[in-house]
Amino acid sequence: VLLVESGGGLVKPGGSLRLSCAASGFTFSRYTMNWVRQAPGKGLEWVASISSSSDYIFYSDSLKGRFTLSRDNANKSLSLQMNSLTTEDTAVYYCARGSSVAVYFDYWGQGTLVAVSS
Amino acid sequence: EIVLTQSPGTLSLSPGERATLSCRASQIISDSFLAWYQQKPGQAPRLLMYGASSRASGIPDRFSGSGSGSDFTLNISGLEPEDFAVYYCQHFGNSRWTFGQGTKVEVK
Repeated sequence: VLLVESGGGLVKPGGSLRLSCAASGFTFSRYTMNWVRQAPGKGLEWVASISSSSDYIFYSDSLKGRFTLSRDNANKSLSLQMNSLTTEDTAVYYCARGSSVAVYFDYWGQGTLVAVSS
Repeated sequence: EIVLTQSPGTLSLSPGERATLSCRASQIISDSFLAWYQQKPGQAPRLLMYGASSRASGIPDRFSGSGSGSDFTLNISGLEPEDFAVYYCQHFGNSRWTFGQGTKVEVK
């Protein structure tokens, strides 16, 4: 199982960024996929999850509707569109595979850093 | 919303000693939905335990988990140098995934 995130970088407050996660080594279309973030020096925070066929998408209440999660099973990829970014969104964003019952995260990517600063 | 509180915040121990980490939920939860992760500096988290007491693939048997109701524990029976890290508990419920704030196990 390999998960590789991309798309992070420096963005100004109010800006947008799109993160991607490329998956390999497993049948992507069978698993719930997730984003978890970690602000510098802080703990882990769940961001969003999407079911295997995109029927269900859940977001952390803290995002206030600014993020949109999607997936492309044909291309084994996951995307997170982030809008209206604030400094509080500064974090390493991890792509994580949901377990077979989707209640925990059994594989993680190495993360991509999003820095929101003027 | 369920809140997970981990204690202590930092545990200072020597290699070979036993570590006991606590995770307390703000209400009774199913142990099926409780997991533990290990994170080393600069690395992604790694799944250690799921279902409160089942070890994930490749996790040595010095790691054990227990608990029920609202109190859960992660034990490391004899700390190896590679075990010094931050540990997080995590719960799933009501389509939400929640993490505790973490316990750092450091070298005394």
